[in-house]
Amino acid sequence: NAGVMQNPRHLVRRRGQEARLRCSPMKGHSHVYWYRQLPEEGLKFMVYLQKENIIDESGMPKERFSAEFPKEGPSILRIQQVVRGDSAAYFCASSRGPGSGNTIYFGEGSWLTVV
Amino acid sequence: GENVEQHPSTLSVQEGDSAVIKCTYSDSASNYFPWYKQELGKRPQLIIDIRSNVGEKKDQRIAVTLNKTAKHFSLHITETQPEDSAVYFCAASISRDDKIIFGKGTRLHILP
Repeated sequence: NAGVMQNPRHLVRRRGQEARLRCSPMKGHSHVYWYRQLPEEGLKFMVYLQKENIIDESGMPKERFSAEFPKEGPSILRIQQVVRGDSAAYFCASSRGPGSGNTIYFGEGSWLTVV
Repeated sequence: GENVEQHPSTLSVQEGDSAVIKCTYSDSASNYFPWYKQELGKRPQLIIDIRSNVGEKKDQRIAVTLNKTAKHFSLHITETQPEDSAVYFCAASISRDDKIIFGKGTRLHILP
């Protein structure tokens, strides 16, 4: 039973480029979360999605950041026109959804470096 | 929305001693409180969790306590070992929206 799969594990982008991070939830999980972790800091909630629906995006920056979880395929976190401050680890987590006890399991993370 | 405060930010204990990490939450509707351990460069891993209908839960050297009235919960690690050195995060969740909010983490150092 594969866990939460994230790719790429490491991504380097120049300022102004776009970054796309992908996440496939655990088998049987229908809900995906994205968290950002700056160096030496905590896990900041960004967005919570189920297939074809954004449930809560209260942690997403208003500009340049977007997320989706299409009917087919992985969830994607997209960062347009990256800046140095976007350099961080981006963790995806998944759960079975409401009523499941809320337990979430994390992927290995995607480390974004903006140069 | 929910806010989770975690203390201390750094904790050093002698190997074999106990470590205690404390968290408070703001939303009285929170009903699920997981704890995660994160080693350097790795993903957070669930180590123990507690639900609001339970006051205490133990798993070998790890225990978590919950005080709903005071809105705080704690992680206790007994007989600490070098491999316990890591960053520990508490979190809280409200069932109506399933969003899990994390504290800022405690860096635990186990001293030889």
